[in-house]
Amino acid sequence: AQSVSQHNHHVILSEAASLELGCNYSYGGTVNLFWYVQYPGQHLQLLLKYFSGDPLVKGIKGFEAEFIKSKFSFNLRKPSVQWSDTAEYFCARKGSARQLTFGSGTQLTVLP
Amino acid sequence: DGGITQSPKYLFRKEGQNVTLSCEQNLNHDAMYWYRQDPGQGLRLIYYSQIVNDFQKGDIAEGYSVSREKKESFPLTVTSAQKNPTAFYLCASSLVAGGVHEQFFGPGTRLTVL
Repeated sequence: AQSVSQHNHHVILSEAASLELGCNYSYGGTVNLFWYVQYPGQHLQLLLKYFSGDPLVKGIKGFEAEFIKSKFSFNLRKPSVQWSDTAEYFCARKGSARQLTFGSGTQLTVLP
Repeated sequence: DGGITQSPKYLFRKEGQNVTLSCEQNLNHDAMYWYRQDPGQGLRLIYYSQIVNDFQKGDIAEGYSVSREKKESFPLTVTSAQKNPTAFYLCASSLVAGGVHEQFFGPGTRLTVL
């Protein structure tokens, strides 16, 4: 079965710090990857996605992620975080029937 | 406005009762999904449906049932057989034709068993 791992459960940063959240996926099958974000009290929404092509993917709100096939990784990055980035972040992988397999999530707290 | 609505926002249930969570979408999406979110465990797939009158079990289907009689609606019933039903339930939908598509999520229903 496919799996997605997020090893950082809770990350605390000060504003303007750089961010990198780890995501690793299991070997096998076509790789379609997503990062979703859940702001407090809001719907889960898509930050970015990778299907094929350029391994460096840019998303909304200044986020980007790099697909590294040799490391089975799809880490999320942002050069300078803001207090408004405080949220829970989920990495996900598309399954064979379009369902998503999610990682356990990373809670990001940005201190003003 | 196009989107996904879930009702109710909060639901309380006594042990032994079945409850049904509503999910409606007006995005004209073919596929719909139910996920369960627990702290520290991310989202886990309960059931999904890619077309009307057809649905498949996800990773944690035991104790749940669904129906898909209309394209717009995908209600989830949490039965008394579900041993630990207290959780946050999220409904999602997506297109099917034409490749890989993102899933759009509703606001969720928080179910508490008393």
